[in-house]
Amino acid sequence: ELKVEQNPLFLSMQEGKNYTIYCNYSTTSDRLYWYRQDPGKSLESLFVLLSNGAVKQEGRLMASLDTKARLSTLHITAAVHDLSATYFCAVDRYQGGSEKLVFGKGTKLTVNP
Amino acid sequence: DAGITQSPRYKITETGRQVTLMCHQTWSHSYMFWYRQDLGHGLRLIYYSAAADITDKGEVPDGYVVSRSKTENFPLTLESATRSQTSVYFCASSVGRGGNEQFFGPGTRLTVL
Repeated sequence: ELKVEQNPLFLSMQEGKNYTIYCNYSTTSDRLYWYRQDPGKSLESLFVLLSNGAVKQEGRLMASLDTKARLSTLHITAAVHDLSATYFCAVDRYQGGSEKLVFGKGTKLTVNP
Repeated sequence: DAGITQSPRYKITETGRQVTLMCHQTWSHSYMFWYRQDLGHGLRLIYYSAAADITDKGEVPDGYVVSRSKTENFPLTLESATRSQTSVYFCASSVGRGGNEQFFGPGTRLTVL
C-alpha cells in the first residue's frame, strides 16, 4: 500500500527565511504533484514532477523529485506572508488500471512578519 | 463557464435526509473523483470514475452512492445523511492515461444536523 508522509505538518516561519518541506513515499513512483490550499479554498496545482531529478520553480518555491530516495522537497526561499497556506504532495498510484493519487496530510505553513 | 464546478457550495441538511452533490467539468476529462476533507484526516477518496458508466470505491465509500451517465457529470449522493458526513467535499478530474494531475472544484461545505 502506497503511503505518503509529509513533514513537518505545521511550520511557522519568519518572513525572509528559507525552509524545506519534505514528502516521502513508500513505493516506486516517478510522478509527484504539489498542491496549495488557502484557508476555506480549494486545492490549486503548483508543480508536476514527472521524472527522477525533475526540478520546477515558480517565484519563491522550488520543488524537486528524487525517485530513488522516494523523496520530494518543496523549498521556500525568502518567505513572504502570501505564501501562508497548506501544501500537499500527492503521488501517483496506478492500481488495477485506475489512476489515483495518494495525498500526504499536508503542511500548514504560516509566515509571520 | 469552463472548468470544474460544484453545486451547491453550501448545504445544511438533517440526519436521515438524502442529499446530492453535483460536479460538472467541461474538459472532457476521463477521470473524476470525490474526496472529503476533514481536520486531522486530510483528503480521503470516496469514489472515483474512469469513464462514463465506470465507477469504483475509494477509501471511505460507505454511505455514499455515485453515478456517471455522462462524461461531464459525476454526482455524489448521501442516501441517508449522518452527522459524521459533515465535511467539505471536493470533486476533481484528470485526463488519466499518464496525465494524472488532478484539477479540483471549489468544494461543497455540507453540514448535517
